[in-house]
Amino acid sequence: DADVTQTPRNRITKTGKRIMLECSQTKGHDRMYWYRQDPGLGLRLIYYSFDVKDINKGEISDGYSVSRQAQAKFSLSLESAIPNQTALYFCATSDFDERSKSYEQYFGPGTRLTVT
Amino acid sequence: GNSVTQMEGPVTLSEEAFLTINCTYTATGYPSLFWYVQYPGEGLQLLLKATKADDKGSNKGFEATYRKETTSFHLEKGSVQVSDSAVYFCALRNAGGTSYGKLTFGQGTILTVHP
Repeated sequence: DADVTQTPRNRITKTGKRIMLECSQTKGHDRMYWYRQDPGLGLRLIYYSFDVKDINKGEISDGYSVSRQAQAKFSLSLESAIPNQTALYFCATSDFDERSKSYEQYFGPGTRLTVT
Repeated sequence: GNSVTQMEGPVTLSEEAFLTINCTYTATGYPSLFWYVQYPGEGLQLLLKATKADDKGSNKGFEATYRKETTSFHLEKGSVQVSDSAVYFCALRNAGGTSYGKLTFGQGTILTVHP
């Protein structure tokens, strides 16, 4: 079973609709992230959470909100979807690795969202 | 702020050709540097990393050396295979401060290898 799962994997929605993307992890990591990927722009950070009580905006948080329901769950919501939010969305987790003395991020498989 | 610039793609090579994907960065302090690979339909996977100047990261025949004097972390492979076809992302992570743990990505380079 995958360590980081995302649901749904694909979604088509209409402008103005509210939509939630969900992320779950079994790695036991405290830190979780949401990114969006656009062609030619790489991945950009939307929100991140360092623990259940901690939520932080990333570089492109406008139009998005998040909820950290538990250590293992981090949801991304689009309150009123618009076409330029069409993108591939990735969830990631990280934690301190004692062996390498560094943080490494582990990515989910992505959710392809299309807003028409 | 931090930034990562990768060479423009897409890159198309024949099997067994030599690969170089350039990556340069701008950052304060001493960031860690990474290469991630994204195979079709999958999420990103860590390919290799280097955490200090002159370190060489290597994995699956790929290598990259952390060059602080040229702020570069170019990815190389001596003989590519069709199975290496993917999108490659260069990334950096700040060593400390409030941004600790967050990654800054380049725009990605599409590699296609033909038999």
